[in-house]
Amino acid sequence: EEQLVESGGGLVQPGGSLRLSCAGSGFSFRNYWMHWVRQAPGKGLVWVSHINSDGSSVSYADSVRGRFTISRDNAKNTLFVQMNSLRAEDTAVYYCVRAPRWSYYFDQWGQGTLVTVSS
Amino acid sequence: EIVLTQSPGTLSMSPGERATLSCRASQSVSSRYLTWYQHRPGQAPRLLIFGASSRAAGIPDRFSGSGSGTDFTLTISRLEPEDFAVYYCQQYGSSVYTFGQGTKLEIK
Repeated sequence: EEQLVESGGGLVQPGGSLRLSCAGSGFSFRNYWMHWVRQAPGKGLVWVSHINSDGSSVSYADSVRGRFTISRDNAKNTLFVQMNSLRAEDTAVYYCVRAPRWSYYFDQWGQGTLVTVSS
Repeated sequence: EIVLTQSPGTLSMSPGERATLSCRASQSVSSRYLTWYQHRPGQAPRLLIFGASSRAAGIPDRFSGSGSGTDFTLTISRLEPEDFAVYYCQQYGSSVYTFGQGTKLEIK
């Protein structure tokens, strides 16, 4: 079964940092582009960041550029996002999402991990 | 950045009825880059339609997508109880992915 499982969410103070991980299984992780998408409480889906299959190309939403860093370890089938200088508006469920290479849609989603930024 | 506006915000319907959900873009979107997702409470979002009209694997044929340019539509021909959820359209353009705000399909 193809699966994406996020971890690392929790409560963090404004200005703090957090690193999320996403473990992929049941598919050839290295052959897919990966993304992070988030959903603030009661709000819609918002794309956060993208990384290509070998990690050589990344992109970010304006709201997180300079604060978040996406990376991946294909040997361990794991996606990461390092989140620094966190703000209250970063509070959301963060989804790890898979995309077939050279496609621009998301074909597999994790269950999400909740990040709460609050003092 | 292309803005997607979905309408209506909430759609109240009964099982067996036909539902039509709209997604309008602030500027033209390539059909190749227009996607629809279903999001049930407590579950991960699910890919329904990609390339504006291609059903994803395992999606029942009661779901169909159409449209071009700035106007796209998701149609559910005969609503089943499990179809009541939030639906999002999404597009890609200029290295940015954007979602519509969602249409909540609720049981009447």
